[in-house]
Amino acid sequence: DVKVTQSSRYLVKRTGEKVFLECVQDMDHENMFWYRQDPGLGLRLIYFSYDVKMKEKGDIPEGYSVSREKKERFSLILESASTNQTSMYLCASSPGLRTDTQYFGPGTRLTVL
Amino acid sequence: SQKIEQNSEALNIQEGKTATLTCNYTNYSPAYLQWYRQDPGRGPVFLLLIRENEKEKRKERLKVTFDTTLKQSLFHITASQPADSATYLCALNTGKLIFGQGTTLQVKP
Repeated sequence: DVKVTQSSRYLVKRTGEKVFLECVQDMDHENMFWYRQDPGLGLRLIYFSYDVKMKEKGDIPEGYSVSREKKERFSLILESASTNQTSMYLCASSPGLRTDTQYFGPGTRLTVL
Repeated sequence: SQKIEQNSEALNIQEGKTATLTCNYTNYSPAYLQWYRQDPGRGPVFLLLIRENEKEKRKERLKVTFDTTLKQSLFHITASQPADSATYLCALNTGKLIFGQGTTLQVKP
């Protein structure tokens, strides 16, 4: 079974802090994704990576950056956290095509105070 | 731009009945469509994929239909159980995967 893990289930940070969210997948998938999910807004793509050190902006990249130094690991970075970044963050991976079935991690509930 | 519509109102049904959820889309003809289940506080889990040349796909108590003329997919759960209560998301491939907002299903015993 594909397993996608995220470093934290719950995280509380203060405004202005730098925040790192880590995601690891164990199935040698090419593609990895970061989404945020908010009530009424559904899943919104923040960033996407199709290979090591390769990344592509999603629909809402502002205020975020990403890093993919190894194939299995994809990190989301909030350079200076703000209260409007309070959300559920979901990591996903998929093999081959970016439109293949995606396998999601359990999510990180981030609260920025 | 591509728009996906799922009923935002929760669907409440009695145990044993068939639940039917709808996914409508506009402005695109996806090669395939996927359905996911999401439990509260968890990530979505893939359930079924149906291709444009398939009218219907089944998996145990689940059935998905895909009507490219109507631009609609229906997701059915037969003999529903309280354990089926969750939010169900449809997703289209439009060069990237786009998710609908999901419909919450509540199955009452």
